[in-house]
Amino acid sequence: EAQVTQNPRYLITVTGKKLTVTCSQNMNHEYMSWYRQDPGLGLRQIYYSMNVEVTDKGDVPEGYKVSRKEKRNFPLILESPSPNQTSLYFCASFSRRGQGTEAFFGQGTRLTVV
Amino acid sequence: AQSVTQLGSHVSVSEGALVLLRCNYSSSVPPYLFWYVQYPNQGLQLLLKYTSAATLVKGINGFEAEFKKSETSFHLTKPSAHMSDAAEYFCAVSGSGAGSYQLTFGKGTKLSVIP
Repeated sequence: EAQVTQNPRYLITVTGKKLTVTCSQNMNHEYMSWYRQDPGLGLRQIYYSMNVEVTDKGDVPEGYKVSRKEKRNFPLILESPSPNQTSLYFCASFSRRGQGTEAFFGQGTRLTVV
Repeated sequence: AQSVTQLGSHVSVSEGALVLLRCNYSSSVPPYLFWYVQYPNQGLQLLLKYTSAATLVKGINGFEAEFKKSETSFHLTKPSAHMSDAAEYFCAVSGSGAGSYQLTFGKGTKLSVIP
């Protein structure tokens, strides 16, 4: 089954304690992306990756890092989380299907930073 | 630059009534347009997409959307609402070529269905 898997689904942490949210896809997609979803703001892109070892900032990259050492995995790293990073996070991978693309989303990670 | 505006953060309809969720876009290139649905505690699922093949696009679960270039709109409709349609809906736009991977989302519209 084609899927994007994020872990963990829920996480409560304290300010300053480094954490990693993992994302893995089994569709051999080159393009992957991280978003955060906040009430009234929709989804905003944090970082994206065009392929292995190729990453770039999205609209809200401050406080986040990513890496893409292999095609299937695209972890999101918060080196020193702060309360304003409390949010719902989604990883997505993208296919090219005829014209346009189709995004496949993970189930989300709800992060609370206290 | 591209952007999406969804009119109405909350929409309530009675079961069996018409669903109309509004989306207007701004794009400097011919756009690809999408509607995604998010059920509680789940990720986003593609409902339908416009890729210039046909202006009226049919999606899953009885939803459809019409691309109107003159109005820069891509409104989502369903003739008869069902309780299971209660969810949050996101309109999104992307460009073409390499830009087709850059999805810009609207702020979402939460649909409530009243029995």
